Amino acid sequence: GQQLNQSPQSMFIQEGEDVSMNCTSSSIFNTWLWYKQDPGEGPVLLIALYKAGELTSNGRLTAQFGITRKDSFLNISASIPSDVGIYFCAGQGKVGSNYKLTFGKGTLLTVNP
Amino acid sequence: NAGVTQTPKFQVLKTGQSMTLQCAQDMNHNSMYWYRQDPGMGLRLIYYSASEGTTDKGEVPNGYNVSRLNKREFSLRLESAAPSQTSVYFCASAIGGYEQFFGPGTRLTVL
Repeated sequence: GQQLNQSPQSMFIQEGEDVSMNCTSSSIFNTWLWYKQDPGEGPVLLIALYKAGELTSNGRLTAQFGITRKDSFLNISASIPSDVGIYFCAGQGKVGSNYKLTFGKGTLLTVNP
Repeated sequence: NAGVTQTPKFQVLKTGQSMTLQCAQDMNHNSMYWYRQDPGMGLRLIYYSASEGTTDKGEVPNGYNVSRLNKREFSLRLESAAPSQTSVYFCASAIGGYEQFFGPGTRLTVL
């Protein structure tokens, strides 16, 4: 099946620093999604990317859909303590007439105040 | 709108017991999904339902059954729980090929 390689697995940074994480795949995806999960909660959608090469921002977050459609990155600028959590990338592909997401294993972000 | 709701939030079962996890969405989405999340494994798809009346297996369907009761509700059943099914279960819904929205999860422990 399809697999996503998400890196890094974890990051420990100081408040105010910028963060970058990425996902790569051996398969092509039609859509790339980035989710954040807080402890004890479900994943919450941060950014959705629908077009190869697309660069999208949501506040301090910026994400890009790679030109090859096999990768995506997420940047967080000027990190704050509430950015702590697990960030997941997900690639969406069409299987027959159905749409399915494949998730990376997540990047655990810790922000030191 | 409540979005995606799941019940129960927590459950402890003994090996061999059965239970049903409930999921409902009020966003008029056609597609619904069940995932399990284990440490270091990300989210893995158990079953999904592209529309009312249809269900399909995902990546890890063994030991589970599902029912798409109507457009709003999608339940996950464990007929004979095993310790390997200890996990956090998430339900999600979506409109076709667009982004999926997740519920708060059910934390299940099988002893």
